[in-house]
Amino acid sequence: AQSVTQLDSQVPVFEEAPVELRCNYSSSVSVYLFWYVQYPNQGLQLLLKYLSGSTLVESINGFEAEFNKSQTSFHLRKPSVHISDTAEYFCAVSTDRGSTLGRLYFGRGTQLTVWP
Amino acid sequence: NAGVTQTPKFRVLKTGQSMTLLCAQDMNHEYMYWYRQDPGMGLRLIHYSVGEGTTAKGEVPDGYNVSRLKKQNFLLGLESAAPSQTSVYFCASSYKASGSPSTDTQYFGPGTRLTVL
Repeated sequence: AQSVTQLDSQVPVFEEAPVELRCNYSSSVSVYLFWYVQYPNQGLQLLLKYLSGSTLVESINGFEAEFNKSQTSFHLRKPSVHISDTAEYFCAVSTDRGSTLGRLYFGRGTQLTVWP
Repeated sequence: NAGVTQTPKFRVLKTGQSMTLLCAQDMNHEYMYWYRQDPGMGLRLIHYSVGEGTTAKGEVPDGYNVSRLKKQNFLLGLESAAPSQTSVYFCASSYKASGSPSTDTQYFGPGTRLTVL
């Protein structure tokens, strides 16, 4: 089975500071990687994803993540955060083979809090 | 499109009562999922379905049953509710990744907050 580790449960930062949310996964097969964001009292929504091609993927609101196969990581970064980025962020992974086709494995989440 | 909808939004049950949560999607997605979210635990998969008439167990299936009689609906049943099932339940649906049987982006409903007394 896959596993996803988000190394920080809480990340507090000041507005306009850079941030990195870390995500590592365990898998010996091809993977697809996702970051989801959850605002208070809402469902999860996709932030960005890596399926194939360029290992650097970007979201429309300035986040980016880089797929690093050798380090089995998919860290999320933003060079300058806003108050509105305060939310919980989940890393997730799926694979294209095996008995768990169609499943998405989530990390436990990282609460990003941006202070003024 | 309404996307993924969940009914009800809130519910309070007494121990031993039963209930069914309804999830509906209008995006013609093949895959559907039920998760529960508890503080500090992330999302845990209860059951999922990779097509109409098929279901499979996830990480925490005990105490729950599901049915997918129609492609657009996925029902989650609690036969005899327990306080440990107090949680927020999310339904999601997705299409297959291009050229792969794996899941692509999952679309989530707004959640059902269930309290079992």
